[in-house]
Amino acid sequence: AQSVTQLGSHVSVSEGALVLLRCNYSSSVPPYLFWYVQYPNQGLQLLLKYTTGATLVKGINGFEAEFKKSETSFHLTKPSAHMSDAAEYFCAVIRSGGFQKLVFGTGTRLLVSP
Amino acid sequence: SQTIHQWPATLVQPVGSPLSLECTVEGTSNPNLYWYRQAAGRGLQLLFYSVGIGQISSEVPQNLSASRPQDRQFILSSKKLLLSDSGFYLCAWRQGAANTGELFFGEGSRLTVL
Repeated sequence: AQSVTQLGSHVSVSEGALVLLRCNYSSSVPPYLFWYVQYPNQGLQLLLKYTTGATLVKGINGFEAEFKKSETSFHLTKPSAHMSDAAEYFCAVIRSGGFQKLVFGTGTRLLVSP
Repeated sequence: SQTIHQWPATLVQPVGSPLSLECTVEGTSNPNLYWYRQAAGRGLQLLFYSVGIGQISSEVPQNLSASRPQDRQFILSSKKLLLSDSGFYLCAWRQGAANTGELFFGEGSRLTVL
């Protein structure tokens, strides 16, 4: 079965610093991978996704993620954090060819200090 | 463009009372529909999903039920709420055919059972 592990329930960075949120997946077949962001009391918004092709994926708000099959990772990065990036971030996986369920990680809360 | 609406946004209910949360998708047809629950610090738990009218799949045994009376309407219900039903409920949809798997979420409904 597919699963994702997000390392660190909380990550704190200073404004302008690099953001790195870690996600490792488990899948017996090529996965589709996603990052979502959730602001307080709101639904989830898709940041970016990897399906096939280029392994470096660019998303909204300056975020990007790189699919590394050898490391089974899909870490989310942003070169320079902004106060508005403070939110909870979820990594998710779905088996390619299986379109019924998206499996989410437990989330990482990003805290940005001035 | 497609939109998804959930209501009510906030609900406070006594233990033992009934529940009805509604979700409607506009701008698409025959979507796959999902109900997730997000409890504090526990990530997202898939409760139900539906691939068509009257077709409901339950992920976990619980005090809740779901129905899909129309193509773009998904309802989450309970006859008697428990304290443990408190949480943030998210409805989501995805295109049923030829897609890359991502879900699009509503704004959520926060349920507090007292």
